[in-house]
Amino acid sequence: GESVGLHLPTLSVQEGDNSIINCAYSNSASDYFIWYKQESGKGPQFIIDIRSNMDKRQGQRVTVLLNKTVKHLSLQIAATQPGDSAVYFCAEFSSGNTPLVFGKGTRLSVIA
Amino acid sequence: GAVVSQHPSWVICKSGTSVKIECRSLDFQATTMFWYRQFPKQSLMLMATSNEGSKATYEQGVEKDKFLINHASLTLSTLTVTSAHPEDSSFYICSASGTGGSTIYFGEGSWLTVV
Repeated sequence: GESVGLHLPTLSVQEGDNSIINCAYSNSASDYFIWYKQESGKGPQFIIDIRSNMDKRQGQRVTVLLNKTVKHLSLQIAATQPGDSAVYFCAEFSSGNTPLVFGKGTRLSVIA
Repeated sequence: GAVVSQHPSWVICKSGTSVKIECRSLDFQATTMFWYRQFPKQSLMLMATSNEGSKATYEQGVEKDKFLINHASLTLSTLTVTSAHPEDSSFYICSASGTGGSTIYFGEGSWLTVV
């Protein structure tokens, strides 16, 4: 379930609109999912996580939805701001000392 | 605050030389650390799993003799890129799990440019 060699898809939204970023994960045994934000030249920054026993979790301006049936995650950002412009990755994880497996990533571009 | 620190943040080296990148857990013990590589406009690719006191586990396609990993203590893992070539130029990121593996922390990343 690792991303390889594809250029990142881009989502462009107007400032103030809501953004929805989607991710398909690969391992049905994964029980923990995280969304990361990565700005240019920096490491991933934790946004929000969700465990497999939940289907929705809300944070400040962000909501993560999990659909285990189709192995799909989404990240919703309310009232998108220019500072939200970055690349967003979903990552899946199984309990214990296993590595995170990252999705392909989506570049969010906020138009002022 | 930052709980995993990487050093150096930026390094430029000549082709054929070796470069060491350090990953430290600052206020917790990490029995396992992970090394990722990220090429421009791509996702993070797991290179290897570093286990304290034992050999690292490398992902398929990653040369263990080229990317030497040492996890000699519970707070430090090092990645040494040996005989670096321009195609090794990339962003290298480590992550560490705390006790029980439930919380994952990332380092700030290290940019390697081989000229």
